[in-house]
Amino acid sequence: QVQLVQSGAEVKKPGSSVKVSCKASGGTFSSYAISWVRQAPGQGLEWMGRIIPILGIANYAQKFQGRVTITADKSTSTAYMELSSLRSEDTAVYYCARVRGYSYGSDYYYYYMDVWGKGTTVTVSS
Amino acid sequence: QSALTQPASVSGSPGQSITISCTGTSSDVGGYNYVSWYQQHPGKAPKLMIYDVSNRPSGVSNRFSGSKSGNTASLTISGLQAEDEADYYCSSYTSSSTQVFGGGTKLTVL
Repeated sequence: QVQLVQSGAEVKKPGSSVKVSCKASGGTFSSYAISWVRQAPGQGLEWMGRIIPILGIANYAQKFQGRVTITADKSTSTAYMELSSLRSEDTAVYYCARVRGYSYGSDYYYYYMDVWGKGTTVTVSS
Repeated sequence: QSALTQPASVSGSPGQSITISCTGTSSDVGGYNYVSWYQQHPGKAPKLMIYDVSNRPSGVSNRFSGSKSGNTASLTISGLQAEDEADYYCSSYTSSSTQVFGGGTKLTVL
């Protein structure tokens, strides 16, 4: 049974960057994707982006384009999410999730998240 | 990409049924049968309840069901139980190859 183990809580200064890791334990990325979803205090879920490790293809929400980078190391079954130019509004719990879906030829539809990490709290404060 | 529209809250008594709607556009909900629903209890990670509009993962109670008509998807919970009290989020694949969530619905079991 795959589990996703995330790195620990972070406290960052405005303007800095944070890099959160997500390691698949008990399995590999195989043919799945990994998404990152964040949740600000008292707010809803917000999709940030997705990577398909076997292809190295990443897609990002328009809101985070240019500020977020999602990467994956297949050799260690670990995904990373780096968010730069941090501001107070980025204070949130950041979740990684295994994403499943379908592929038809060169088209991929990875979208439903069936295994979630426990979340990493990122606090941005001066 | 705008968030999908969900009611902020719904409520029901034990044993009753409730339905949560999720309205998008032809670029997301209406364009694909790739709608999923998640349950989240306070302080916990979300849990997948429905995928492909109406499919339940193994282990999810058959009291949970999903459907879609046009640009609106729905989650129905029948035989409400106290443990169903949680926040529920819909999500859809989009024409931009991204994903979008609804704003979330707080379910209160009276």
